[in-house]
Amino acid sequence: DAEITQSPRHKITETGRQVTLACHQTWNHNNMFWYRQDLGHGLRLIHYSYGVHDTNKGEVSDGYSVSRSNTEDLPLTLESAASSQTSVYFCASSDTNTGELFFGEGSRLTVL
Amino acid sequence: GEDVEQSLFLSVREGDSSVINCTYTDSSSTYLYWYKQEPGAGLQLLTYIFSNMDMKQDQRLTVLLNKKDKHLSLRIADTQTGDSAIYFCAVLSSNTGKLIFGQGTTLQVKP
Repeated sequence: DAEITQSPRHKITETGRQVTLACHQTWNHNNMFWYRQDLGHGLRLIHYSYGVHDTNKGEVSDGYSVSRSNTEDLPLTLESAASSQTSVYFCASSDTNTGELFFGEGSRLTVL
Repeated sequence: GEDVEQSLFLSVREGDSSVINCTYTDSSSTYLYWYKQEPGAGLQLLTYIFSNMDMKQDQRLTVLLNKKDKHLSLRIADTQTGDSAIYFCAVLSSNTGKLIFGQGTTLQVKP
């Protein structure tokens, strides 16, 4: 079965370190997204991609970057982690026709 | 900009009906979704409705859409303890192609 997987599921890091969260989907979807989920804010879009070599900023993109070198993967990088980036991060990919998003299980990041 | 609003918390007794409400601002919305998130898990699609529909029923779930008032609701009949979760309303904008989420409504089902 097609799926979307994230790794690591849990990570603790220190302020100032670079962190990369991986996202891999086997749906062959062109569209991929990174969200962060925080209490009281719901899901907020960080970055998204509509295809290979395409990346776009979402509403909370500062401090984050993504790259899309193939259809399956959209890694999210925090160049210099800050405590405000402690959150649960969700990757998703979507069916172009219906817009339905398929979510990964989430990556819980703690920045100390 | 586009905005989606939900109440944050709803508590019901097992066997009662639950109604979760959502309002949105984007009049160009094409698809409207309800997602369910159980503790420690990602979001799973429960149901969705096209913008040209008023109602959609799927077993215990009924979605009502009032386009004039930009109001979407999810009714869960005979609510069970397994329905306890966070429910997210999401709206797909045809202008931007983005899916905008509400803050999520935590549904608590008491036995």
